[in-house]
Amino acid sequence: KNEVEQSPQNLTAQEGEFITINCSYSVGISALHWLQQHPGGGIVSLFMLSSGKKKHGRLIATINIQEKHSSLHITASHPRDSAVYICAVSGSARQLTFGSGTQLTVLP
Amino acid sequence: DVKVTQSSRYLVKRTGEKVFLECVQDMDHENMFWYRQDPGLGLRLIYFSYDVKMKEKGDIPEGYSVSREKKERFSLILESASTNQTSMYLCASSPPTNEKLFFGSGTQLSVL
Repeated sequence: KNEVEQSPQNLTAQEGEFITINCSYSVGISALHWLQQHPGGGIVSLFMLSSGKKKHGRLIATINIQEKHSSLHITASHPRDSAVYICAVSGSARQLTFGSGTQLTVLP
Repeated sequence: DVKVTQSSRYLVKRTGEKVFLECVQDMDHENMFWYRQDPGLGLRLIYFSYDVKMKEKGDIPEGYSVSREKKERFSLILESASTNQTSMYLCASSPPTNEKLFFGSGTQLSVL
């Protein structure tokens, strides 16, 4: 079973700062997902990566398959980015293994 | 807009009651999942289904069962609710390749 570690667990930033959230996993994967969960529970899928880098607006996700590591970056952070960010990986089976999440708070 | 709908946002039940949590998706997805989310433990998979009438146990199936009679609907059943099943329950669906997961808004279940 894959182990997924996220860091940091909690992150507080000032509006405008560049933010990085990290995810490491223990076993080879077929894909890695980044998810966002706002207060109230709803979860939104941000990215799915199997290699390289993806960008959507101010969000950038990268993955290094050899190092078993992914990062989620937020440029020019804003208070509305405050949420829990969750990393999840999928292997040969179709179910995902989730990290415990990173609570991000962006202060105005 | 694509949607995964969970029948209740909040639910309060008594110990020993039978509880049904319903999930419906309108995207014709093959894969459907039930997770529970607890503070500090992240999302844990209870059951999943790849097709109608098919079900597979996840990491924590004890005390739960599921039903998938139609492709769009995946139900989670707590046969006899217990206080340690108080949690946030999240349903999700995805196409076969899992390239994107779609989540429902969750059901916060309290068992008293």
